Amino acid sequence: DAGVTQSPTHLIKTRGQHVTLRCSPISGHKSVSWYQQVLGQGPQFIFQYYEKEERGRGNFPDRFSARQFPNYSSELNVNALLLGDSALYLCASSLYSSNQPQHFGDGTRLSIL
Amino acid sequence: AQKITQTQPGMFVQEKEAVTLDCTYDTSDPSYGLFWYKQPSSGEMIFLIYQGSYDQQNATEGRYSLNFQKARKSANLVISASQLGDSAMYFCAMTPSSGGSYIPTFGRGTSLIVHP
Repeated sequence: DAGVTQSPTHLIKTRGQHVTLRCSPISGHKSVSWYQQVLGQGPQFIFQYYEKEERGRGNFPDRFSARQFPNYSSELNVNALLLGDSALYLCASSLYSSNQPQHFGDGTRLSIL
Repeated sequence: AQKITQTQPGMFVQEKEAVTLDCTYDTSDPSYGLFWYKQPSSGEMIFLIYQGSYDQQNATEGRYSLNFQKARKSANLVISASQLGDSAMYFCAMTPSSGGSYIPTFGRGTSLIVHP
């Protein structure tokens, strides 16, 4: 079975631009979470979606938004990119939204110039 | 607010030896879950082990065990018989189980290097 897949793998943008990151969960998983990981730190939680509804939101500005589609795939959108948005963006899926081990994708490395 | 503290930025261990990675946590939630993840240099995050706050026994998964001391709010990871492939970053994480919104918290991680 395929694991969590994220696209693109790498992305270079300039300040002020907009970016969309995509994630496909493991088949059968209904929950998708997004994390930002800055070099040298642990992942910071951005959003969790379960059954297309937002179940959790981390301490990120409104420039960050996400949604989950009927097939449980998800998009993370970031508007008005700042240099500080440069990071590895990780998507994770789990069966449910409660205490379940999360299965992570390989991430999208976003660089802002 | 939840907090995870990993006080060891780096740890070194000889191959085949056991190593303990420390994790302390702080939460006001009565019900929560504790996780350990491994992140090799290639970047993918790999789930290792889970401990529920109401579990009476310490969790074990193969060479991994979680030393859970609820009163001390600690959830240390023990890796027995270290292997070269265990060299990686290790993250402790916590999620609340009780109602309300779901916000997991990760620690800053511990870098483990296994020497031959």
